[in-house]
Amino acid sequence: AQSVSQHNHHVILSEAASLELGCNYSYGGTVNLFWYVQYPGQHLQLLLKYFSGDPLVKGIKGFEAEFIKSKFSFNLRKPSVQWSDTAEYFCAVIVKRFSGGYNKLIFGAGTRLAVHP
Amino acid sequence: DVKVTQSSRYLVKRTGEKVFLECVQDMDHENMFWYRQDPGLGLRLIYFSYDVKMKEKGDIPEGYSVSREKKERFSLILESASTNQTSMYLCASRSAGTSYEQYFGPGTRLTVT
Repeated sequence: AQSVSQHNHHVILSEAASLELGCNYSYGGTVNLFWYVQYPGQHLQLLLKYFSGDPLVKGIKGFEAEFIKSKFSFNLRKPSVQWSDTAEYFCAVIVKRFSGGYNKLIFGAGTRLAVHP
Repeated sequence: DVKVTQSSRYLVKRTGEKVFLECVQDMDHENMFWYRQDPGLGLRLIYFSYDVKMKEKGDIPEGYSVSREKKERFSLILESASTNQTSMYLCASRSAGTSYEQYFGPGTRLTVT
């Protein structure tokens, strides 16, 4: 079965530190990739997405992610985190079924990031 | 902006009660979804609907049912609530086009005692 793995469940950083959150998926076909973020008390919102083209994708608030097809990875990065980046981050993959059927969005377990001032 | 609203932010119910969670979206999206979010498990799909009166089971449909009588509204029903259904429930919607981006509501934190 298709799955999405996020390597770190909890990450603690100081402000200005660099961030990299790992995401790997298990599916050999065409995929669309997403990172969602959930700030404390807020709804889940899209951070960035990859569909095709340049594998380095830039999102909101200075985040970026790189799709490496050979590694089945879509890691999220930010060069310098801020206290306001404290949130839970979810990697998600759409598995495209060309033969019909629903294109399912599969989520990872999430990574809780705490940024200390 | 797409807006997805859910009827309650917090809900406390007793074991055995019938529970209705309502979700409304204002962007004329064809597809709507119900997920539950649990720590360490991410989001798991309960049911989705690709059109009015159409529904499909997700990964964890047991103990739940859904209703979609109007395009903008998607209801999740817990026929007989149990303590293991204590969770955060998220509704989402998306267009049937190729963007695949889902828009989420604020969530309902349900506690079953």
